[in-house]
Amino acid sequence: AQKVTQAQTEISVVEKEDVTLDCVYETRDTTYYLFWYKQPPSGELVFLIRRNSFDEQNEISGRYSWNFQKSTSSFNFTITASQVVDSAVYFCALSETRGGSEKLVFGKGMKLTVNP
Amino acid sequence: EPEVTQTPSHQVTQMGQEVILRCVPISNHLYFYWYRQILGQKVEFLVSFYNNEISEKSEIFDDQFSVERPDGSNFTLKIRSTKLEDSAMYFCASSAGEPTDTQYFGPGTRLTVL
Repeated sequence: AQKVTQAQTEISVVEKEDVTLDCVYETRDTTYYLFWYKQPPSGELVFLIRRNSFDEQNEISGRYSWNFQKSTSSFNFTITASQVVDSAVYFCALSETRGGSEKLVFGKGMKLTVNP
Repeated sequence: EPEVTQTPSHQVTQMGQEVILRCVPISNHLYFYWYRQILGQKVEFLVSFYNNEISEKSEIFDDQFSVERPDGSNFTLKIRSTKLEDSAMYFCASSAGEPTDTQYFGPGTRLTVL
């Protein structure tokens, strides 16, 4: 069965620090997608990134970067120079395609608090 | 930018009552989903819906739950007889033309069952 593990439950940093959020996944599928979503205190789920299992190229978007390593089944997320607005719960998710539709399997989430 | 909308934002109901949670997916999206998140816990898949029928449902999605797309824009989740343990945030999501397209989530409906 698909599984996503976010070992860290909570991290607290000071503004401008870099922080890395770990994500390890398990799947028997050869084709799959990995995602990161952000859940700010207001509660909505905000899509951050989707990565295809065949694309191991790391990605950078502004202060955000993602490191996908198939060999270790990891898809880690780094925030550089963190800001207070980055405070949120971050979820890593894995897609599972069955019966012609896709469901997302989420990790338990990691609460990031960025203090001024 | 198109977005998924959900109403109401917060619903309070008595145990045993029926509730209907409403969602308007992004127009031209074809795949629709409901997830739920019990307070402080992870987001869990409930059901996926495509071409006017359920594609897949989880163990949580028992006979008390049903989904419907009553018209070309709304997508609803009905809970027939709510239980205390149904208290959660319910998220609707939609994705475009392929099942593997990114799912975009609505802001959620917080359901409180008393």
